Amino acid sequence: QQQVKQSPQSLIVQKGGISIINCAYENTAFDYFPWYQQFPGKGPALLIAIRPDVSEKKEGRFTISFNKSAKQFSLHIMDSQPGDSATYFCAAMEYGNKLVFGAGTILRVKS
Amino acid sequence: EAEVAQSPRYKITEKSQAVAFWCDPISGHATLYWYRQILGQGPELLVQFQDESVVDDSQLPKDRFSAERLKGVDSTLKIQPAELGDSAMYLCASSLAVAHTDTQYFGPGTRLTVL
Repeated sequence: QQQVKQSPQSLIVQKGGISIINCAYENTAFDYFPWYQQFPGKGPALLIAIRPDVSEKKEGRFTISFNKSAKQFSLHIMDSQPGDSATYFCAAMEYGNKLVFGAGTILRVKS
Repeated sequence: EAEVAQSPRYKITEKSQAVAFWCDPISGHATLYWYRQILGQGPELLVQFQDESVVDDSQLPKDRFSAERLKGVDSTLKIQPAELGDSAMYLCASSLAVAHTDTQYFGPGTRLTVL
């Protein structure tokens, strides 16, 4: 059962462009929404996270937008760089429960 | 910077053989997680430890998989016997576990290939 649906499966963006990855969920008890970045041969690493009491969180070039009513959240990467090429996973967690990951988005930034 | 250590990094085995993976979490991290990541998918939790106790093993195929964290520090995940469908990346993660939103730090993983 896929509790967090992530799209697109893959994404190609020109250097300097904006990369946008979307996720949707059904479980309204989720209260923590992190994004992880994974490079080949490495484990996932936390990139940025948001709680549902805010609609946006920005850290450097990375921004999470959160729409509680639509049960959707997205990652925006501004001024995308070749070094951002990686697989990105959205995830969600309910208090006292486990972290549930999306299927991942393979991002390639062309120089 | 402290990291989660895992070994081996790669393991090739034949079906019906036994395999074991080892994980050393970041020092002081009370919670340890084992995940399985099938190619093209996100990680899926297999088992979660709080110190030496199992908190969640609902997705662990207990007929063939076992996990232990005897002294509440490092941990071993075993598969016996391995099946073709077990081919995947096995990731270990740890967190301080003061709050459920504590960051989970992942190790580099063990890539298992079952022939």
